[in-house]
Amino acid sequence: RKEVEQDPGPFNVPEGATVAFNCTYSNSASQSFFWYRQDCRKEPKLLMSVYSSGNEDGRFTAQLNRASQYISLLIRDSKLSDSATYLCVVFFSGSARQLTFGSGTQLTVLP
Amino acid sequence: GAGVSQTPSNKVTEKGKYVELRCDPISGHTALYWYRQSLGQGPEFLIYFQGTGAADDSGLPNDRFFAVRPEGSVSTLKIQRTERGDSAVYLCASSFDGEGGYTFGSGTRLTVV
Repeated sequence: RKEVEQDPGPFNVPEGATVAFNCTYSNSASQSFFWYRQDCRKEPKLLMSVYSSGNEDGRFTAQLNRASQYISLLIRDSKLSDSATYLCVVFFSGSARQLTFGSGTQLTVLP
Repeated sequence: GAGVSQTPSNKVTEKGKYVELRCDPISGHTALYWYRQSLGQGPEFLIYFQGTGAADDSGLPNDRFFAVRPEGSVSTLKIQRTERGDSAVYLCASSFDGEGGYTFGSGTRLTVV
């Protein structure tokens, strides 16, 4: 079983749609959680951190459920520029002090 | 510099050859990571440096892979006797304190033919 699992998609949605991505992680001791965005043939870039209380950044809302080991990302009013791969990422500040990435979910927003 | 710099951006090498990939992190960042990303996959951890020392090299796939960071800044990933399966994008990231929120370089696309 992978440490971080995501639905690979692809998700093809019309402009203006709301789309949600889900992610589960296996290490219950994981401490920090992030969503990264990766454009085609580019490096991953931090989109937002994910907090237990849930957090919002404009059209983006992230949720964390530690009991279920589940993370989500909601994008409202999708824009063409939101087309990218969204990577779910967990961080464990233990002996293996590293970010662990999911395989990513591909989103295409259609005009 | 302003960001993480990786060179070369592209490298094509013949099977069996030796390659070196360079990473120049953000100035002042003590934590440096190497990741490898294959097509359709997320980045896969290789090695983590805190300062000059390799704090965790558990992700290196075998002894053909080695990385150094002699002065706690620039790092070099070295691959001996390259194989076609080594073809991937090699990403470097740095962080001020190793606590997530890393900045990635644009990667080196390695192709072994």
